[in-house]
Amino acid sequence: GESVGLHLPTLSVQEGDNSIINCAYSNSASDYFIWYKQESGKGPQFIIDIRSNMDKRQGQRVTVLLNKTVKHLSLQIAATQPGDSAVYFCAENSGGSNYKLTFGKGTLLTVNP
Amino acid sequence: DAGITQSPRYKITETGRQVTLMCHQTWSHSYMFWYRQDLGHGLRLIYYSAAADITDKGEVPDGYVVSRSKTENFPLTLESATRSQTSVYFCASSEPTAPQYFGPGTRLTVL
Repeated sequence: GESVGLHLPTLSVQEGDNSIINCAYSNSASDYFIWYKQESGKGPQFIIDIRSNMDKRQGQRVTVLLNKTVKHLSLQIAATQPGDSAVYFCAENSGGSNYKLTFGKGTLLTVNP
Repeated sequence: DAGITQSPRYKITETGRQVTLMCHQTWSHSYMFWYRQDLGHGLRLIYYSAAADITDKGEVPDGYVVSRSKTENFPLTLESATRSQTSVYFCASSEPTAPQYFGPGTRLTVL
């Protein structure tokens, strides 16, 4: 979910476990959602996206779930690896815009070997 | 290599100076964006462009100027840098209804 001030929500998992990162979005008119991964010192990297006509979408080791009723998005990472350690944040095309995104502040995932 | 690049990667300047950050993409994406990322604020949109010669303000445009004479380039200029513009700046590009792809960022420090 969203963070306040300088403190990001954090999730610490053991290598090999599954990770679930959550995001609450704000605009019920949003119909396109994206998850990004950002490693320290790098730009955000696209992971997976989903449109509002879907509830679930799977990629390689990742699954995104969308619950429009409660305006909630989650990212599931299977068999989490140390290389998955990063900040993950969701984005929504708030207001239904095709190109303008609103970003959450992110969740820090730490994978312990 | 195809992709989106930014230059410089690091820049230190003084208050009042003009600074230009460069962004270049090789995908021929129609949309390009400039964001700043600060602790506690996440990514905030400064300006965006839907095509060459078409630009529009984002959430935090004050103190910044953009231009887009060519599809592949989208420079961001700080006309008179202020300390509050110390930040990490990211450029991104996309096609409509497609994800935005980000560059590696420029870390700007204004003294």
